[in-house]
Amino acid sequence: GDSVTQMEGPVTLSEEAFLTINCTYTATGYPSLFWYVQYPGEGLQLLLKATKADDKGSNKGFEATYRKETTSFHLEKGSVQVSDSAVYFCALSYNSGYALNFGKGTSLLVTP
Amino acid sequence: DTAVSQTPKYLVTQMGNDKSIKCEQNLGHDTMYWYKQDSKKFLKIMFSYNNKELIINETVPNRFSPKSPDKAHLNLHINSLELGDSAVYFCASSQDRGYGNTIYFGEGSWLTVV
Repeated sequence: GDSVTQMEGPVTLSEEAFLTINCTYTATGYPSLFWYVQYPGEGLQLLLKATKADDKGSNKGFEATYRKETTSFHLEKGSVQVSDSAVYFCALSYNSGYALNFGKGTSLLVTP
Repeated sequence: DTAVSQTPKYLVTQMGNDKSIKCEQNLGHDTMYWYKQDSKKFLKIMFSYNNKELIINETVPNRFSPKSPDKAHLNLHINSLELGDSAVYFCASSQDRGYGNTIYFGEGSWLTVV
């Protein structure tokens, strides 16, 4: 079935470091791809999304490009802040009913 | 104004009890969902309703029963609670079942079964 695999965490970075969180997917057809973020004690918020190949989603300095040839949707940010500490989830749309199928999440800790 | 709101936020209850979690969305969306997040943060779809019709019913014990009285509400009732039901339950909604629609999540209901 459709699924996403994302890198295991936790990821610990110093403030202003470059961030990459890898995400690859397996799907029949052409899913939509999403990154959600969950801050401690809160629900999930959409960070960015892309609905077709070569689309780039971006928000709050984060970017991800839908790469069909490598079935990837890696999340990047050029300079992380302490406030970016959270759990990041890669997800794809689900064939039946278009629910989201999530990866296992990657915990990010940014230290001053 | 909270777009997707669920109550209660925290619930501690004993094994064997029956409990409900309520969810309401004020976004005018047609589709609503229940997700379960386990202690390792893994999120799994449980149910989805579109205009009060059940469209996704994943492999979930039949002790879990969703109910959608109208398209703005999707409640989750759990019978005979077990220790393994302890998790965070997220309600969510999207405009409809369309391709690429953003899904909006509530803040979660932390259920602890003792």
